[in-house]
Formats: sequence, structure tokens, C-alpha cells
Amino acid sequence: QQQVKQSPQSLIVQKGGISIINCAYENTAFDYFPWYQQFPGKGPALLIAIRPDVSEKKEGRFTISFNKSAKQFSLHIMDSQPGDSATYFCAASPRTGNTPLVFGKGTRLSVIA
Amino acid sequence: GAVVSQHPSWVICKSGTSVKIECRSLDFQATTMFWYRQFPKQSLMLMATSNEGSKATYEQGVEKDKFLINHASLTLSTLTVTSAHPEDSSFYICSAKGAGDTQYFGPGTRLTVL
Repeated sequence: QQQVKQSPQSLIVQKGGISIINCAYENTAFDYFPWYQQFPGKGPALLIAIRPDVSEKKEGRFTISFNKSAKQFSLHIMDSQPGDSATYFCAASPRTGNTPLVFGKGTRLSVIA
Repeated sequence: GAVVSQHPSWVICKSGTSVKIECRSLDFQATTMFWYRQFPKQSLMLMATSNEGSKATYEQGVEKDKFLINHASLTLSTLTVTSAHPEDSSFYICSAKGAGDTQYFGPGTRLTVL
């Protein structure tokens, strides 16, 4: 119930293409869903986050789509660039309290020219 | 955005010695800090949750006497790996949470135990 399932494990996308990473959760108490980007040897950096009161959030080339009934959310990276090559983690937690984030296992994205 | 620092960024120590890692929230007060461990090509593994002024809550399987956590102020938490052994070699990352929902992560500390 505490798991967040993330797919695919790895992804190769051509430069300029769309990268799509999917996550699914079971715990209905989750109501905060961030995505983090991590480069090798660095800490994760918050990319974008969504709450269940909206179905989509866009920030620049990054969009989160959220389907509350299916308990799924996804990250879309438009016009993918080689600099986007990194590991992406989805996560979830309840908004209230100091409950830690539950992370997906990560997706290694490679954007090739 | 909020900034979290960690010191040192990397450390090499001999087996049996202790190592202290500092995590600081530079521009906000962190009511809660979290400590993670990450092995190569794997996700973040939560070790413990630390609230300012109280004892840390450790995840199952994490030895609290080996990984000492102190959260003495709203901007500083420390992780001390006591009597380190080669199997403790890993990438340790802290995160801090203020009044909002967001957890901000530090840059990580690479620990190598010889």
C-alpha cells in the first residue's frame, strides 16, 4: 500500500522527442506528488509537483498529468534535450504532517542526438 | 528556491573510525529533516526522520546505535556513522522540510570506508 510503482526503468529518447514516465500508487491518503531529477553524484532536485485538485500542471517543457480515479500520474518532457539525461524519481506523500516521501525506483533517461 | 547544504561532499575513512555528516538548511527553518542512503543505480532508501529537538525515528533495519542522528536546531541535523565498515560505503543524502509540502535535498555525501 505504501509503494509507488514507476516505469519504465530506463528510457532512450531522440533529441526533440517526448519522454514519458509513469507512476502508480495505491495509498489513497497520498495527496502530494512531486517529481525529482537527479544527476550522477548529485542530490535530487525538485522538478515539478502536483496535488490531486488538478489533472495537469505544466512548467516549461515539463508536464505532470494526474488521474485520481486510476491512481496514476505521469511526467512528460517535451522537446527532450541531451541535458535532460538524468534519473527521474516520482514520489508521493500525504500533505499533512511530516510523513516522508515514498519514492519510485527511478527511471534513467538518455536523450540522444 | 530553498537551499540545503551538506558537508563534507565526500569523505574517505579507515574501518573502525566514526564520520560525521552535517546537513544545513541555509535559508529556511526545517522542522523535519530526513536522511537517505543511496546505492549506485538505485532509489533513495529512507534511513530516519528527524524532528528538531526530539529523537529521530529510524526505519526498520537501520541500526540507531550505528547511525546517530542529532537535530539540534531548526537549520542543522547531523548523521554520525559510528565504527564505520566498508559495507557502510554509500551516498548519503539529507533533505529538509519547512512549513510547506516540499522536501529539499542536499547535494549528498559520498562515504568510502577503507
